[in-house]
Amino acid sequence: AQSVTQPDIHITVSEGASLELRCNYSYGATPYLFWYVQSPGQGLQLLLKYFSGDTLVQGIKGFEAEFKRSQSSFNLRKPSVHWSDAAEYFCAVGAPNTGNQFYFGTGTSLTVIP
Amino acid sequence: KAGVTQTPRYLIKTRGQQVTLSCSPISGHRSVSWYQQTPGQGLQFLFEYFSETQRNKGNFPGRFSGRQFSNSRSEMNVSTLELGDSALYLCASSLVLAGGNTQYFGPGTRLTVL
Repeated sequence: AQSVTQPDIHITVSEGASLELRCNYSYGATPYLFWYVQSPGQGLQLLLKYFSGDTLVQGIKGFEAEFKRSQSSFNLRKPSVHWSDAAEYFCAVGAPNTGNQFYFGTGTSLTVIP
Repeated sequence: KAGVTQTPRYLIKTRGQQVTLSCSPISGHRSVSWYQQTPGQGLQFLFEYFSETQRNKGNFPGRFSGRQFSNSRSEMNVSTLELGDSALYLCASSLVLAGGNTQYFGPGTRLTVL
């Protein structure tokens, strides 16, 4: 079965600093990978996704993620964090034979210091 | 296009009661998935419906059930509520039933069981 690990429960960064959120997955083949963001009281918004092809994917709000098969990782990055990026970030895995069932990591809470 | 809508946004029930939550997918989307989000367990997949049929089911007791109507709208029912059912219930819609489709999430229904 698929599983997703987000090792960092909480991260604090200064505004303008770079950001990297870690995500590791467990799956026998290449999965479909997603990053979502959730603001307080809100649903999940898709930041970016990886299905195949170029392992560096660009998303909305200046985010990017890199798929590394050898490390089973799909880390999310942003070169310069804005205060509005403070939220909960979730990595998710889907697979070709499970319909639209996603497996989510436990999330990383991001605090941005002015 | 309008996004995924969920009603009601907030619910308070007592143990033993039952509850029905509603989800209207994005126009044209035929797949609807339900997730339960709690601080302890994170986001967990409940079930997915496509063309009025349940296609995938997560590891939840039979008290949790759902259905989908011909217009793709979906309802989720929880019978004999327990305190542990307090959670944010998220609905997500996708265009088709196929692995890796982008899922678009609604704002959720916050259920509190007293």
